[in-house]
Amino acid sequence: GAVVSQHPSWVICKSGTSVKIECRSLDFQATTMFWYRQFPKQSLMLMATSNEGSKATYEQGVEKDKFLINHASLTLSTLTVTSAHPEDSSFYICSARDSLGREKLFFGSGTQLSVL
Amino acid sequence: GENVEQHPSTLSVQEGDSAVIKCTYSDSASNYFPWYKQELGKRPQLIIDIRSNVGEKKDQRIAVTLNKTAKHFSLHITETQPEDSAVYFCAASFITSGGGADGLTFGKGTHLIIQP
Repeated sequence: GAVVSQHPSWVICKSGTSVKIECRSLDFQATTMFWYRQFPKQSLMLMATSNEGSKATYEQGVEKDKFLINHASLTLSTLTVTSAHPEDSSFYICSARDSLGREKLFFGSGTQLSVL
Repeated sequence: GENVEQHPSTLSVQEGDSAVIKCTYSDSASNYFPWYKQELGKRPQLIIDIRSNVGEKKDQRIAVTLNKTAKHFSLHITETQPEDSAVYFCAASFITSGGGADGLTFGKGTHLIIQP
């Protein structure tokens, strides 16, 4: 089946630093990547949608200057949390839609971000 | 935008009994309804999904029913086993012209506990 690799799986950083999270589709081309955030014991909330080669579309309430998304190739999308603060601590997870039109979405393994 | 309500938030059943989780959605344009099982700190795993042109789908002990008119869909797990214990999320989306699902709107989740 289709595999989405997400790195790092966990990261601890100091307040004010930036953190980059990568999602790679290993055996398919991901025309669209979705980024979600999940706080403890809560649901997954869609943050933004990125299409290869174009600007990401952000959901209401998500700061685009804080959560930078780059989808420069059909196999890689990155989410950079800029000037991270403790309230950004969360589980971030990507999912990919492939170019073959398969309806199912493929999830990365998630990144647990802890900001001190 | 889409709004998905999920009930109950916690469900405890005896091993071997059936479990039912219910969801409602608001956007009549949604036509794809997947169910995910998530263990702590892991990625969501797709367990079953249904398109709006189908009223019911079954896969071994798991079934999903959809009432498009009432905008609600349910997950049914029969003969529950201890390994079924997890958090279950329903979601709603629509299938794009390219064939893949758009970003998912998740319900708040149901913590299913299987009592031995």
